[in-house]
Amino acid sequence: DIQMTQSPSTLSASVGDRVTITCRASQSISSWLAWYQQKPGKAPKLLIYDASSLESGVPSRFSGSGSGTEFTLTISSLQPDDFATYHCQQYNSYLFTFGPGTKVDIK
Amino acid sequence: EVQLLESGGGLVQPGGSLRLSCAASGFTFSRYAMTWVRQAPGKGLEWVSGLSGSGVSTYHADSVKGRFTISRDNSKNTLYLQMYSLRVDDTAVYYCAKLKNGGDYGSDVFDIWGQGTMVTVSS
Repeated sequence: DIQMTQSPSTLSASVGDRVTITCRASQSISSWLAWYQQKPGKAPKLLIYDASSLESGVPSRFSGSGSGTEFTLTISSLQPDDFATYHCQQYNSYLFTFGPGTKVDIK
Repeated sequence: EVQLLESGGGLVQPGGSLRLSCAASGFTFSRYAMTWVRQAPGKGLEWVSGLSGSGVSTYHADSVKGRFTISRDNSKNTLYLQMYSLRVDDTAVYYCAKLKNGGDYGSDVFDIWGQGTMVTVSS
């Protein structure tokens, strides 16, 4: 199975900060990488797919990049609604796997 | 509005069984592959099972293979997860989700999620 890691596990930031989260795959997954946002007690929400494509309705301050084994999610200017946990997911294999998550909290 | 609504969670003893349901609305259910994803308390997301729009092709994670069965009734717009031989480590919130693109089950993302149903396995 393809293993996914994320760093950092927790990130403390302030409103207006530029935030970057990294996701790594144990083998090449081309661009088959998605990012989800999850708030406490809620279901995940799709933000980015195909490594860099923005899901409809998602603010443009979110962006994704990378290919192969290393990927990043960037929030250009952190907003109050963005404090949440972010998960990456590979879908190169139908045995989908997720990263452990990165919690973005208030500094 | 596209919506998924899970039900059927609850408290069950180790070794017991439970069937989860996921009622879909707002889209042509039979055209889309579906999946179950779970999240243990305080943990990350784990893909559990998936199946094609027709229901003919099914897939399960190794952790549940032989114990869980995914199925669907397209006439009722409902997805199911039958769980047998439940273990304490199956305790989690179970989400159903829709794959974004129509067609067979495959490399795709999950664009619509239900609110989740809690399954607790404990004596």
